[in-house]
Amino acid sequence: EAGVAQSPRYKIIEKRQSVAFWCNPISGHATLYWYQQILGQGPKLLIQFQNNGVVDDSQLPKDRFSAERLKGVDSTLKIQPAKLEDSAVYLCASSYRRAPGAEQYFGPGTRLTVT
Amino acid sequence: GENVEQHPSTLSVQEGDSAVIKCTYSDSASNYFPWYKQELGKGPQLIIDIRSNVGEKKDQRIAVTLNKTAKHFSLHITETQPEDSAVYFCAASEYNQGGKLIFGQGTELSVKP
Repeated sequence: EAGVAQSPRYKIIEKRQSVAFWCNPISGHATLYWYQQILGQGPKLLIQFQNNGVVDDSQLPKDRFSAERLKGVDSTLKIQPAKLEDSAVYLCASSYRRAPGAEQYFGPGTRLTVT
Repeated sequence: GENVEQHPSTLSVQEGDSAVIKCTYSDSASNYFPWYKQELGKGPQLIIDIRSNVGEKKDQRIAVTLNKTAKHFSLHITETQPEDSAVYFCAASEYNQGGKLIFGQGTELSVKP
């Protein structure tokens, strides 16, 4: 089966600019996650969707980050305006169901550099 | 909330030796503990996992042990090969958080031929 697709793979922007990332999960996966991975650290969950509804966005900096999952399939994550500390890899993952033990499949990530 | 600590941050072994990575967690309600391998430029990939009702699980050269009382779990890789070189992450999932994973800081494993 096709894996989780993400684009772009790399993005360089200046601080205060905006940027958007796109994710296409594995077909049939109801749950979608966006993680932020700062260099040298483990991934940190930003937001979790179940179909097209948000189930956990407690770690999302809502003053500058937004995400949506229209029609319960593709998802976009936006940052506006970007700060230097937003430089990280943004990983999208999906799982068949929302439950402990449901394997999460990760995409290759988008590496964002904010200058 | 859950907190996961992982050690060591870097590990270098000779090909054929064993490697052990250890993690501790804070929330006794956590019940699912996966291990991910991340190669350069790629997303994390699940290599093995263990649930709280099991003490040990093995898959070929990889094994994971869980001590619920002490709240720690470990990854064991035997007969290491150069292709095992990567960053390894442990994680814990809280039962009431619907699959939310809390990751450790990662261990960079280097296997020298």
